[in-house]
Amino acid sequence: AQSVSQHNHHVILSEAASLELGCNYSYGGTVNLFWYVQYPGQHLQLLLKYFSGDPLVKGIKGFEAEFIKSKFSFNLRKPSVQWSDTAEYFCAVRRGGSYIPTFGRGTSLIVHP
Amino acid sequence: DAGVIQSPRHEVTEMGQEVTLRCKPISGHNSLFWYRQTMMRGLELLIYFNNNVPIDDSGMPEDRFSAKMPNASFSTLKIQPSEPRDSAVYFCASTTTGVGTDTQYFGPGTRLTVL
Repeated sequence: AQSVSQHNHHVILSEAASLELGCNYSYGGTVNLFWYVQYPGQHLQLLLKYFSGDPLVKGIKGFEAEFIKSKFSFNLRKPSVQWSDTAEYFCAVRRGGSYIPTFGRGTSLIVHP
Repeated sequence: DAGVIQSPRHEVTEMGQEVTLRCKPISGHNSLFWYRQTMMRGLELLIYFNNNVPIDDSGMPEDRFSAKMPNASFSTLKIQPSEPRDSAVYFCASTTTGVGTDTQYFGPGTRLTVL
């Protein structure tokens, strides 16, 4: 079965620090990749997605992610975090041709002002 | 567009009672997903509908859980009887199927507490 691993369960940073959240998956075929964010008390919102093309994907709020096929990874990055980035971040992977994504367990990010 | 609408937003009930959660997907979306989120298990897919038909219900925990989608604009998730371990946030998400249009849009969730 396909699995999605987010190795960092909790991350604590100070404002202006750089962020990188890891996401690895186990499926070897064509994949669609997503990062979602869940702000405290809110629902999941899409940050960015990768279907094909340039493996460096830029999303909203200054976030980007790089798809490295050889490493089965889709890490999320932001060069300078803000207090308002405090949230839970979820990586999701969907096999090509499937409509059902598999979500990682999530990474809780706390940014101190 | 109002987005995905879920009701109620909060539900507190006693063990053994029936609970019905409701979802209205975004108009025009033909796929609907029910998820459960807990601290212990993260975000779990319960069931997936496409064109109102249940396609994958392998995530439904047990017979106490049932879901229906009588039409394209409404779905319910029912728990009968409810148990304390069902306490969680239940999310509904909808999407259109097709290349380049597969982003899931999540509702605000229903926070269920079973006492």
